Amino acid sequence: GAVVSQHPSRVICKSGTSVKIECRSLDFQATTMFWYRQFPKQSLMLMATSNEGSKATYEQGVEKDKFLINHASLTLSTLTVTSAHPEDSSFYICSARGTGNGQFFGPGTRLTVL
Amino acid sequence: QKEVEQNSGPLSVPEGAIASLNCTYSDRGSQSFFWYRQYSGKSPELIMSIYSNGDKEDGRFTAQLNKASQYVSLLIRDSQPSDSATYLCAVSANTDKLIFGTGTRLQVFP
Repeated sequence: GAVVSQHPSRVICKSGTSVKIECRSLDFQATTMFWYRQFPKQSLMLMATSNEGSKATYEQGVEKDKFLINHASLTLSTLTVTSAHPEDSSFYICSARGTGNGQFFGPGTRLTVL
Repeated sequence: QKEVEQNSGPLSVPEGAIASLNCTYSDRGSQSFFWYRQYSGKSPELIMSIYSNGDKEDGRFTAQLNKASQYVSLLIRDSQPSDSATYLCAVSANTDKLIFGTGTRLQVFP
């Protein structure tokens, strides 16, 4: 149980384009999902907390207009990186809270902006 | 001061030995503690959770929590080369958010 999927697994795009990443909880309902970013050899940085049916809560320093989050259902949250630039290249990982307080992570999306 | 601290390593142990990974945290209100394993290029995988003082064992893994010392550790018995990965300590203060350490890289050599 507690399987989280992410799509796409890898994306390469040109600077200035927007990229949408989907996160799905496959076998449970997740009222809360989380979006992280991880740069090489660094730990996970929480970007925002995605709440079903309400606005996401962004961490300090994360631009909400650049990283759009939508959590329209109990099993799906999306992160859209708008007008992506090379410095947005990173490993984006979503997670969903299962039973207890543990979070289960999706497989991640590696974004490369040329 | 970082909220969750881990030695970055690498921690090198021979196959079959016990690997000991340590983590300290600064928030005394922390109530939930987790260990994640992350292979290079992959996302973290939850391997242990612990909520009360003492030891919790699951197969070759033992998590140890000491809230008074604000210390949580992970022991891996009979270490295998496949255990080579980065181990992330994560702490939650009764909220949804997890605070991660920077991880300790473990290398198990044959």
